[in-house]
Parts: sequence; structure tokens; C-alpha cells
Amino acid sequence: EAGVAQSPRYKIIEKRQSVAFWCNPISGHATLYWYQQILGQGPKLLIQFQNNGVVDDSQLPKDRFSAERLKGVDSTLKIQPAKLEDSAVYLCASTRDRGRWDTEAFFGQGTRLTVV
Amino acid sequence: AQKVTQAQTEISVVEKEDVTLDCVYETRDTTYYLFWYKQPPSGELVFLIRRNSFDEQNEISGRYSWNFQKSTSSFNFTITASQVVDSAVYFCALSLASGTYKYIFGTGTRLKVLA
Repeated sequence: EAGVAQSPRYKIIEKRQSVAFWCNPISGHATLYWYQQILGQGPKLLIQFQNNGVVDDSQLPKDRFSAERLKGVDSTLKIQPAKLEDSAVYLCASTRDRGRWDTEAFFGQGTRLTVV
Repeated sequence: AQKVTQAQTEISVVEKEDVTLDCVYETRDTTYYLFWYKQPPSGELVFLIRRNSFDEQNEISGRYSWNFQKSTSSFNFTITASQVVDSAVYFCALSLASGTYKYIFGTGTRLKVLA
């Protein structure tokens, strides 16, 4: 089966600009996650969707970050306006089962964002 | 609070040496899963293993083995006879049965295997 697809792979923007990332999870996977991975750190959850509903967005900086998952399939994550500290790799992941806590996640290759 | 600690930031070994990556976790929950993921230079995290909190049996898969000890809250990962292709960042993660099933990752250990 095809893996989790993300685009673009790399993005360089100036601070205060806006940027959007796209993710297409594995077909049939109900749960989709967006993680932020700052250099030298582990991934940190930004938002979790189950189908097209938000399950957890407690760590999403809502003043500048937004995400949607229309029709419960692919998803976009947007940053507007970007700050220097948003420089990171943004990883998308999906899991097969709905809300299962023991299921391994499948990750995309990520989008490396550099804000200058 | 839940937390995963990987104290080793970077480890370098020579090919064919054995290496152990440490993972210590904190949680008050009694039902949870622990995971190891590998992140090669290409960027995606690749699932290696999961272990639930009720199963303390060690596991071996080829050159990989895992040692889970609830008494010390540790879930260590050993690579036997390391190879250059093992070079990557390895993450330990915790997932709780309560809450929203998100992963809590450690900061990762970068393993460099030198030829």
C-alpha cells in the first residue's frame, strides 16, 4: 500500500509570510496527526483528527496555526504569519484504527520549513 | 505527567559492535503502550516495535532486541552486530489508553555506526 504522502518536502519563507502543508494519509486510515519536530527534539503533537473531526488540538498555537481535514481524507496545515521559531519539520502520520491507543502510526517524510 | 527520557543524545560505534539505546518513561497510568521508531536521513519515522504495559517479555527480532522492565520504567533497545545502515535517530514513545491516544516522544538518540 502507498505510504503517507506529504508536500512540499522543503519550504523557505520569510517571517510574517504564510505557508501551507499538505498530507494524504494511507487509504482507509481514520486517524491523522500533525507533529512538529524542532531540530534535536522529538516530535510534538499539534493536532489529531479522527475522520474529519478534531480530537486534540491542545498544543496547536491557534493564533497562527490552523488545520483542516475535509471529507476525512487529506489534510492541510497552515501557518499565518510565520515566526522564526516555527522552523521545524512538520510530520504527518496516520493510524488504521479509529482512536486505538495500541496501534503503530505510519509517518510521512515530513516538510522541512525554514523561516528566515 | 507523562514523559519519555532518552538521555543519550548521540552514540557512535564501530560496525559489528553491540549498542544499547536507553529509554525511561514516566506515567501514572497502568495501561499503556511503548514504541520504538527509527528515523533515517530520509525523514520518515519507521515503526520498529510496540509493547504493552502488561507484557514484560523481552523480544528479539533478528539483530534487534528489546528489554522492558516496569520496575525501573525502562524500555531499552539493543542492536547486536551493528551495521552502517543502522545509522539513524531512534525515538522511544509512550501511548496511553486514557486520553486521546497521542504519542509522547522522547528527544531521540542519534546512532552513528562507523565502517
